[in-house]
Amino acid sequence: GQQLNQSPQSMFIQEGEDVSMNCTSSSIFNTWLWYKQEPGEGPVLLIALYKAGELTSNGRLTAQFGITRKDSFLNISASIPSDVGIYFCAGTTFNDMRFGAGTRLTVKP
Amino acid sequence: EAQVTQNPRYLITVTGKKLTVTCSQNMNHEYMSWYRQDPGLGLRQIYYSMNVEVTDKGDVPEGYKVSRKEKRNFPLILESPSPNQTSLYFCASSRRTGLVNTEAFFGQGTRLTVV
Repeated sequence: GQQLNQSPQSMFIQEGEDVSMNCTSSSIFNTWLWYKQEPGEGPVLLIALYKAGELTSNGRLTAQFGITRKDSFLNISASIPSDVGIYFCAGTTFNDMRFGAGTRLTVKP
Repeated sequence: EAQVTQNPRYLITVTGKKLTVTCSQNMNHEYMSWYRQDPGLGLRQIYYSMNVEVTDKGDVPEGYKVSRKEKRNFPLILESPSPNQTSLYFCASSRRTGLVNTEAFFGQGTRLTVV
């Protein structure tokens, strides 16, 4: 099936730094979603994007739906220790929902 | 409260002993799916269902079965579990708007160990 290429795989950053991660695909998606997973929990939705070119913010998080509908990025500004976790991108089509492999974020105080 | 409920949360079983992991959602969502999560591989889709009595294979369906007799329930069945099915499993549901799957809500996961 369609694959989502998410990068980077992991990031080790200092508290206060900005973070950027992205997902690309060879296929077009109708929506792009970004999730965060904390240890022992299921993924929780952070941002949903429904239109090509859409730029959406949720607090310190900003995400964009690529104009080609084949990519998306997520930025986190001024990271804090509770941002630690695994971030997943997901793309949906008519009958499918695909996930990237995840970006594991570590924030050092 | 809107939620997806999986049971059990943890399960240790022996090879070959049939088991079922239940999943129930209270949001009247059409689309439900099962994923397994393994280190470094992210979330891989096992099966999905677009509505009652409509199911289809995902990327890694071998060794699994599902059924969707009611809209709210989507159980995952392992007829003869093997050690390579040791994993963390997630059920998810989402609403469909026209031709679009909207955001998915996840259960809390089932950690399965097959010895």
